[in-house]
Amino acid sequence: GENVEQHPSTLSVQEGDSAVIKCTYSDSASNYFPWYKQELGKGPQLIIDIRSNVGEKKDQRIAVTLNKTAKHFSLHITETQPEDSAVYFCAAPRRGGGSYIPTFGRGTSLIVHP
Amino acid sequence: GAGVSQSPSNKVTEKGKDVELRCDPISGHTALYWYRQSLGQGLEFLIYFQGNSAPDKSGLPSDRFSAERTGGSVSTLTIQRTQQEDSAVYLCAIGRTGSGNYGYTFGSGTRLTVV
Repeated sequence: GENVEQHPSTLSVQEGDSAVIKCTYSDSASNYFPWYKQELGKGPQLIIDIRSNVGEKKDQRIAVTLNKTAKHFSLHITETQPEDSAVYFCAAPRRGGGSYIPTFGRGTSLIVHP
Repeated sequence: GAGVSQSPSNKVTEKGKDVELRCDPISGHTALYWYRQSLGQGLEFLIYFQGNSAPDKSGLPSDRFSAERTGGSVSTLTIQRTQQEDSAVYLCAIGRTGSGNYGYTFGSGTRLTVV
């Protein structure tokens, strides 16, 4: 099955700095890698994803990079703002029942200090 | 989140009682997942439904947990004889399967507290 490890567990930055969260996965067949943001009292929300046929994807201040050879992918947030404070989860799919079941990392608590 | 409604949003129950949690997704999504999130923890997979196939129950922690999905839409997660360690947020998610679009959408969850 898939094993996803996420680091760091906690990340504290000053407003305006960049933040990077890294995940590694074990199943070389995995081909879809989403990132979720979870604010207090809410369910996780998909913020960006990447498929295995590309190495990088950007959406305004957020980017995700993928290294299939090394089996790791990272979330990059530039010019961080206090509203970026949340718990971020990465995920990688593991095959099950003919489709894919996301296995999640343990999460990173990002704190952006104003 | 938009597309997945969970009820109740909060549930407090006495130890030993049974509880039923509901997930009501918008139509058109064949894949449905239940996850559990304990305080300060990640997302623990519980069960997965895909169309008319037999559900993947590999994540259910004990036989006190069961789930069903009626008519390919609404799903209920039942916990029998609740224990204090069952206290957690239970999240339902839907996803598209097929040619490669796996965009999962989560509900806001049910916060279960067993006292």
